[in-house]
Amino acid sequence: EVQLVQSGAEVKKPGESLKISCKASGYSFTSSWIAWVRQKPGKGLEWMGIIYPHDSDTRYSPSFQGQVTISADESISTAYLQWSSLKASDTAMYYCARHVGRYSGSSHELDYWGQGTLVTVSS
Amino acid sequence: DIVMTQSPDSLAVSLGERATINCKSSQSVFYSSDNENYLAWYQQKPGQPPKLLIYWASTRESGVPDRFSGSGSGTDFTLTISSLQAEDVAIYYCQQYYITPYTFGQGTKLEIK
Repeated sequence: EVQLVQSGAEVKKPGESLKISCKASGYSFTSSWIAWVRQKPGKGLEWMGIIYPHDSDTRYSPSFQGQVTISADESISTAYLQWSSLKASDTAMYYCARHVGRYSGSSHELDYWGQGTLVTVSS
Repeated sequence: DIVMTQSPDSLAVSLGERATINCKSSQSVFYSSDNENYLAWYQQKPGQPPKLLIYWASTRESGVPDRFSGSGSGTDFTLTISSLQAEDVAIYYCQQYYITPYTFGQGTKLEIK
């Protein structure tokens, strides 16, 4: 059974750093792109970027380029999303999700989602 | 970026009636080399992550009830729920996966009238 299990909720102060995780199981971690999606309170879904764990190829939405870093550790089947300096505007639920890949290196719809990690940034 | 625009923003439909949600992309998401539209629909209920309903614009994900259907091509797409059930109350999103960033529509909130 495919599962994406995310790390727990975080409460941070502005300016602090943070790294949240998404542990995959039930499939070959290196064979599918993993996406990160932001959802601010009461708002819609925003696609932040993706990583292909096979070679760590990473693509960012221009809206998030330079604001976050996406990484992965193939040895423990885990993807990460990190911030070096949080802002109050980063307060949101963050989801990881798996892109279906019907052929090597492809990224299609998001078929499995993590449960979400709530990040609260407040002084 | 491809902009995805859904209409309406919210919708109230009576139980057993048809619900229709539209999604328009700012450029075509039809990929001619494999003859597919790179468009998916998701359902999100309160407190839950989104759930995949439809991919390739019209293919139902395994386990999704057949009252959900998708149609359209190029830039204009529709999600139809043929006979609304109480459990269908949710927010629905379209997403293009034609080119990164794989943008979502703003969402359509579906309620019972």
